[in-house]
Amino acid sequence: GENVEQHPSTLSVQEGDSAVIKCTYSDSASNYFPWYKQELGKRPQLIIDIRSNVGEKKDQRIAVTLNKTAKHFSLHITETQPEDSAVYFCAASKAMNYGGSQGNLIFGKGTKLSVKP
Amino acid sequence: DTEVTQTPKHLVMGMTNKKSLKCEQHMGHRAMYWYKQKAKKPPELMFVYSYEKLSINESVPSRFSPECPNSSLLNLHLHALQPEDSALYLCASSHFLSKLDRRTGELFFGEGSRLTVL
Repeated sequence: GENVEQHPSTLSVQEGDSAVIKCTYSDSASNYFPWYKQELGKRPQLIIDIRSNVGEKKDQRIAVTLNKTAKHFSLHITETQPEDSAVYFCAASKAMNYGGSQGNLIFGKGTKLSVKP
Repeated sequence: DTEVTQTPKHLVMGMTNKKSLKCEQHMGHRAMYWYKQKAKKPPELMFVYSYEKLSINESVPSRFSPECPNSSLLNLHLHALQPEDSALYLCASSHFLSKLDRRTGELFFGEGSRLTVL
């Protein structure tokens, strides 16, 4: 089955700096890679996702890059702010053919990001 | 309405009790999930329902029994739990992730039910 490795487990940056979190996956058939943010005591929420037919996707200060050959993908946060402090989870899944059942979404172990003012 | 509603928010039960967790969504999602999350750990998939049918059971012990009465509701029946089952139980829903359309497979999570087993 799929295995997702995530690094680093903790990351501390100064406000305004950039933060990068990296993940690798094992199943070459995986083709959907979301990132979730979970603030303390709250539910995980999707912040950005990417499909395997795209190499990069950007949404304001957040970007995700995907290298299918190396089977790794990364989250980039620029101009970090204190409210970016949270645990970030990467995940991997397979989009099924039309009419198929939903596949497993396998999460990495998470990265605790702290942004110091 | 982009909410997944879970009840109860907190539950304390003994090892001989029977209780149920409930989840509801009205986003038209036909995939619904139960995840278990321990402190400082990622969500761990337990069950997936597709079109109200159980499609994935991640080898979960039978003391956890899921039920999907209709396309909006998902229950998790609990019986004879162990203290190590204490955790945050998250319900989620999504559209199907398809190769053929652009809809995302975004999981919408509920706030969770925090379970303590004494």
